[in-house]
Amino acid sequence: DAGITQSPRHKVTETGTPVTLRCHQTENHRYMYWYRQDPGHGLRLIHYSYGVKDTDKGEVSDGYSVSRSKTEDFLLTLESATSSQTSVYFCAISEKRQSAFFGQGTRLTVV
Amino acid sequence: AQSVSQHNHHVILSEAASLELGCNYSYGGTVNLFWYVQYPGQHLQLLLKYFSGDPLVKGIKGFEAEFIKSKFSFNLRKPSVQWSDTAEYFCAALNTGGGADGLTFGKGTHLIIQP
Repeated sequence: DAGITQSPRHKVTETGTPVTLRCHQTENHRYMYWYRQDPGHGLRLIHYSYGVKDTDKGEVSDGYSVSRSKTEDFLLTLESATSSQTSVYFCAISEKRQSAFFGQGTRLTVV
Repeated sequence: AQSVSQHNHHVILSEAASLELGCNYSYGGTVNLFWYVQYPGQHLQLLLKYFSGDPLVKGIKGFEAEFIKSKFSFNLRKPSVQWSDTAEYFCAALNTGGGADGLTFGKGTHLIIQP
């Protein structure tokens, strides 16, 4: 498996609190992505990055922000968590925008 | 906008049955196509991919898929399924044109193999 580590793996947080999820890679891949997975919706792209400090919005970016200050780290922040953001979050990496390798996922519950 | 449709949300088969999962994409340009599998509680793993060339591609675990350009389809097949194939299967497409956005996924097919 590609070297991708997501942290935390599980988190329960309260509505209105900020939450940051981390994706760390050891593959030196250029592209990094954050997806959320929800029953009946498959995986939907939240934000992506095509280099250090180069990020852009995906399909479901409202309520989320990202940062990539180093090649290996891509952070996803929920500024003020809502119950609709309860989901499983997956980070993915890709070298040449071909196939993507996925992390183990973070299960986030907002209560 | 690019989209991927998977025809069956739930499929139940008996062991040794043949499998075909449908996938259609809508995009006017050139796309790369993928099938991923997600076993219960795990992350997504790449089964196979199509970029160009032979439209019949073979992947891991005995899976194969056929790209039919005229039908915008990329169906996944396996001649004889096993209980261990129980999983969620996702078809995905990637726009090979400009931009850096990621894969577009279908909503998934939950496959249950009964012993």
